[in-house]
Amino acid sequence: DGGITQSPKYLFRKEGQNVTLSCEQNLNHDAMYWYRQDPGQGLRLIYYSQIVNDFQKGDIAEGYSVSREKKESFPLTVTSAQKNPTAFYLCASRDFWSLEQYFGPGTRLTVT
Amino acid sequence: DAKTTQPNSMESNEEEPVHLPCNHSTISGTDYIHWYRQLPSQGPEYVIHGLTSNVNNRMASLAIAEDRKSSTLILHRATLRDAAVYYCILRDTGRDDKIIFGKGTRLHILP
Repeated sequence: DGGITQSPKYLFRKEGQNVTLSCEQNLNHDAMYWYRQDPGQGLRLIYYSQIVNDFQKGDIAEGYSVSREKKESFPLTVTSAQKNPTAFYLCASRDFWSLEQYFGPGTRLTVT
Repeated sequence: DAKTTQPNSMESNEEEPVHLPCNHSTISGTDYIHWYRQLPSQGPEYVIHGLTSNVNNRMASLAIAEDRKSSTLILHRATLRDAAVYYCILRDTGRDDKIIFGKGTRLHILP
């Protein structure tokens, strides 16, 4: 089945460590996105990429980094510079010609 | 970026229609109105979108005001599975594809 996968579903890390969240899609979508969601809040855009080897910062990019070396993959690294990394992270993708965004199941990151 | 305003929460009885409002007074002529919903601990899912005319699909209906400054998502017969956070967002595919989600409306369904 086509879709977006994020792994793992739950991730625990110690403060000061970098951590990379995986996002893979087999929908052949051009654009991919990373959002962060805190409890009771909406989604905030971290980074997005409209094409391979290109990406743009969203509203809260500080402390995060991404790469887009392949069309189907858009990993997000949460660096030690991110002050409050504990959150629910959502990846999404969209076909260039479609207005509909598809979301993955999310990764809940806890940093202690 | 054009913004939307939604009530924080709403309640409805099961098997009754639900009307979820959204205000977007600064909408531009090329902005599409989208609705997504998010069930607990899941990623959002697409519900419906429209530009000027009212739209219907198997999940819901979208009623767009004539001046496009507001819209209403209509769930014709709410079920307990419709309890979720509903997001109204604006997207202009002619510009940079920076899609912004607000806090949405938390819909509670009473059995």
